[in-house]
Amino acid sequence: GAVVSQHPSRVICKSGTSVKIECRSLDFQATTMFWYRQFPKQSLMLMATSNEGSKATYEQGVEKDKFLINHASLTLSTLTVTSAHPEDSSFYICSAQGRGRATDTQYFGPGTRLTVL
Amino acid sequence: AQSVTQLDSHVSVSEGTPVLLRCNYSSSYSPSLFWYVQHPNKGLQLLLKYTSAATLVKGINGFEAEFKKSETSFHLTKPSAHMSDAAEYFCVVTNLPGGYNKLIFGAGTRLAVHP
Repeated sequence: GAVVSQHPSRVICKSGTSVKIECRSLDFQATTMFWYRQFPKQSLMLMATSNEGSKATYEQGVEKDKFLINHASLTLSTLTVTSAHPEDSSFYICSAQGRGRATDTQYFGPGTRLTVL
Repeated sequence: AQSVTQLDSHVSVSEGTPVLLRCNYSSSYSPSLFWYVQHPNKGLQLLLKYTSAATLVKGINGFEAEFKKSETSFHLTKPSAHMSDAAEYFCVVTNLPGGYNKLIFGAGTRLAVHP
């Protein structure tokens, strides 16, 4: 199956710092990437959708200045959590969809666990 | 609007017995439906998908699901559970035809497998 990677897998940071998470599609061109957030024992919550070369579309209630998304190439999207606070601690998962693979399927990364102290 | 209801938040089975995870959906369109599995602290892995082809869909690891339009259901089954099947399972529907858009997730079903 298609492979999507995320880096880092785990990050611990101090309150007030910014953290960047990378999402890469390794064997297909991801024209669309999605960023999700998952709280413990809960389902995934879509944060934003990004299409390559254009601005991300954020879901209602998600602060775009807080969660900066860049999708500069067909294989890479980044999520930057700016001025992180303890309430931003969560499991962040990206997914990718696009050319060279079934266009009706999202392939998920392994997730990044962010802990803000 | 699309929605997904997973009827059981927890399912517990013995190893070697059948698994049934129930999912009902609501959709204004002919939906694309998916089952994903998530092991602890891991991302989601696609088990199988239905996209208007055969109504009985076979997936990985011996799982299958049947699309029943009359019942608006897409239940996930496996004839014999294995310890490694213990995980969280999500039933998912897309919100637009063609599947090239948002996924609507069910709340998830936690499957426990006992020896």
